[in-house]
Amino acid sequence: EDKVVQSPLSLVVHEGDTVTLNCSYEVTNFRSLLWYKQEKKAPTFLFMLTSSGIEKKSGRLSSILDKKELFSILNITATQTGDSAVYLCAVNPPNSGGSNYKLTFGKGTLLTVNP
Amino acid sequence: GAVVSQHPSRVICKSGTSVKIECRSLDFQATTMFWYRQFPKQSLMLMATSNEGSKATYEQGVEKDKFLINHASLTLSTLTVTSAHPEDSSFYICSAPRPPSWTGGPYEQYFGPGTRLTVT
Repeated sequence: EDKVVQSPLSLVVHEGDTVTLNCSYEVTNFRSLLWYKQEKKAPTFLFMLTSSGIEKKSGRLSSILDKKELFSILNITATQTGDSAVYLCAVNPPNSGGSNYKLTFGKGTLLTVNP
Repeated sequence: GAVVSQHPSRVICKSGTSVKIECRSLDFQATTMFWYRQFPKQSLMLMATSNEGSKATYEQGVEKDKFLINHASLTLSTLTVTSAHPEDSSFYICSAPRPPSWTGGPYEQYFGPGTRLTVT
């Protein structure tokens, strides 16, 4: 059974701190790993990672994938209170059609950024 | 802007009634859509895969007769919670994979805004 494990499960930091969120996976026929941010509603897409060692960056957020060690990290620098959310990691099998687009989610990391 | 919409965003119903939730892909066609359920402080759990033109595929432990899924067109899937009970109260989210912009590229999953169901 495919498995996605995120750590830590929760994290409390102060504004301005840098955080690193971890995601490890055991997935057959891995295709891509995705990071989402979830506040009070549905998840919003952050990154999709398919290649090992290539950092994706968006503002203060960045993420990288290690396909050999089967993990990914999500970094947030200079955190702000608006970064407070649950960050979800998900893996996606190869896009060979039908149900193979489905995502397997980790339990998420609850990040709280205090002013 | 949003690429997947869901309706309604919030619904309160009485125990024993049925509720229909719609999920639409707005600017692409989706032969497959996914329905998730999320309980408070828990992650998203896949309930079923909605397949256009064929039956939905349900995950283990999800009752087919209770959660009816119909993929009516390439842009619309509906989830009907039949004979709802208080334990069905949850946040229901759909997603649709958007076809890649280049051949062989990955599909990106887009989520609807979710539907908060409360059964009294």
